[in-house]
Amino acid sequence: AAGVIQSPRHLIKEKRETATLKCYPIPRHDTVYWYQQGPGQDPQFLISFYEKMQSDKGSIPDRFSAQQFSDYHSELNMSSLELGDSALYFCASSLGGLGDNQPQHFGDGTRLSIL
Amino acid sequence: SQQGEEDPQALSIQEGENATMNCSYKTSINNLQWYRQNSGRGLVHLILIRSNEREKHSGRLRVTLDTSKKSSSLLITASRAADTASYFCATDQRRGTASKLTFGTGTRLQVTL
Repeated sequence: AAGVIQSPRHLIKEKRETATLKCYPIPRHDTVYWYQQGPGQDPQFLISFYEKMQSDKGSIPDRFSAQQFSDYHSELNMSSLELGDSALYFCASSLGGLGDNQPQHFGDGTRLSIL
Repeated sequence: SQQGEEDPQALSIQEGENATMNCSYKTSINNLQWYRQNSGRGLVHLILIRSNEREKHSGRLRVTLDTSKKSSSLLITASRAADTASYFCATDQRRGTASKLTFGTGTRLQVTL
């Protein structure tokens, strides 16, 4: 079965640069979530989208922005990168329209390293 | 702030033994989910238990939920070396049209031969 696809898998950037992470949800999933996982940490919710509209916002820095496009893929844009942004960034998708109690399905993540 | 605290933080057992992990949370929830993560990889959904359920089974997994104590446990029976991974509980606090998962601190499980 098709899973959540994230690209790139690995990304190396320098401080103050920008980065764009992409996420392709499972076909027919209408909801996308972004999480950040620092080394040895648990995943932290950043932001979510349902039907191309922002649904909820977590601990996402103002330097980051995201959107969901008409084909339901999502992009996380990160600017003025800092050393502390080095982390695994996960995207997850689910069927939001079915109501509560739908599991989120995660991609393999993008490992972002800031030098 | 952490919604979920898990214990133990690390657990080492031998193949064939059972492994029990506990999770506590602070606020009301719609459901609680358990995920597994192999080192540096994505999270794999294991099981979801709704707030009005007390126990759920899936293969070698058994999950309990006590909403009065705001706690859950994950039992893996007859463990295998391939079960070695980190296990996270996540509480779903649905707001608006999308759920919002808050993860616990995780338990690192090591299963040795």
